[in-house]
Amino acid sequence: DAGVTQSPTHLIKTRGQQVTLRCSPKSGHDTVSWYQQALGQGPQFIFQYYEEEERQRGNFPDRFSGHQFPNYSSELNVNALLLGDSALYLCASSLRGSEAFFGQGTRLTVV
Amino acid sequence: AQRVTQPEKLLSVFKGAPVELKCNYSYSGSPELFWYVQYSRQRLQLLLRHISRESIKGFTADLNKGETSFHLKKPFAQEEDSAMYYCALRAGNTPLVFGKGTRLSVIA
Repeated sequence: DAGVTQSPTHLIKTRGQQVTLRCSPKSGHDTVSWYQQALGQGPQFIFQYYEEEERQRGNFPDRFSGHQFPNYSSELNVNALLLGDSALYLCASSLRGSEAFFGQGTRLTVV
Repeated sequence: AQRVTQPEKLLSVFKGAPVELKCNYSYSGSPELFWYVQYSRQRLQLLLRHISRESIKGFTADLNKGETSFHLKKPFAQEEDSAMYYCALRAGNTPLVFGKGTRLSVIA
């Protein structure tokens, strides 16, 4: 089991562009959560997907959206990128309420 | 609102010395508390959770509801303990709320 895998590992985008980040959960997990980790900060919750629906959402604008597919994998989309969106984006998977396992993250740089 | 505070950004200790990483939380109910660790170039991983009351890699943490604290302790620090440590809280079915983290540096 490869655990939680995220792609790409690094990404550079220009202000105003759109980006899609991908996450494959650990085998057997059905819940995917996304976190943003700015430099020097702890991870901040963006949203959580279960049964292909957004179940919970943190304090992030609508520019941040997501999707979960029938195979439980997930995407995070960010529109109209701002410089402040530069961060490490973490995906975590779990089996409803159990321990969360994290991916290596995607480092997004907005220039 | 739930909040987790880790007052120290950096903690440096000598090898063999005791370690205490502080964590305070604000939540009026009964939360679940966790410690996550991130070693250099590795992913964030769970170190321990208060409900299991385990000792992992020599680390322990006791939930003190009176002081709303969940400090992480180890009697004798090892060089391989050098890492970023994050305290996190979960209330019911809500997502994890993390502190800003403490970088532990163990000096040989």
